[in-house]
Amino acid sequence: QVQLKESGPGLVQPSQTLSLTCTVSGFSLTSNSVHWVRQPPGKGLEWVGAIWSGGSTDYNSALKSRLSISRDTSKSQVFLKMNSLQTEDTAIYFCTRGTTTWGQGVMVTVSS
Amino acid sequence: NIVMTQSPKSMSISVGDRVTMNCKASQNVGNNIAWYQQKPGQSPKLLIYYASNRYTGVPDRFTGGGYGTDFTLTINSVQAEDAAFYYCQRIYNSPWTFGGGTKLELK
Repeated sequence: QVQLKESGPGLVQPSQTLSLTCTVSGFSLTSNSVHWVRQPPGKGLEWVGAIWSGGSTDYNSALKSRLSISRDTSKSQVFLKMNSLQTEDTAIYFCTRGTTTWGQGVMVTVSS
Repeated sequence: NIVMTQSPKSMSISVGDRVTMNCKASQNVGNNIAWYQQKPGQSPKLLIYYASNRYTGVPDRFTGGGYGTDFTLTINSVQAEDAAFYYCQRIYNSPWTFGGGTKLELK
């Protein structure tokens, strides 16, 4: 059964770095892409970036300078790191297997 | 960067009606479009991929169409459980940009 689960801190201070982990099961990271998508409260979906089966990455150009996506295939985990966080980064962060399967999401609040 | 524009932003429909919502890409994306349904408090669910392919388990009242820059999602005989937000997304090539969404409400 394909599953993805996001984990990370619920609260981050402004200007600090966000670190999130997506732990997957039921599929291989070397055969599938994993994407990060975020959704600010009451707003629409925003594609953040992706790590492809071969390990290369693509990022939303608006976030690229602050963003890094990596993985540990031995642990079936994908990581998101975003620095210089601001209040507008407050959102639910989802990881997804391509288009088909989404995690439940993790709420991240940027506040002092 | 590509822009995906959805219309209308919201619509109010009666059970049993047929509804069509639109997604317009700012450049030709071929058939590289997906449609999702999202209900409050839930993760989005894939409905349609590559513009017109219904995902596993999606009822056949959901139909996707279009190619190039103009795409549609049609729901035949809307059911109460179809009240949700609907999003299109450009897929296959980066960035995988989302449209702004259409809110479907039931009268």
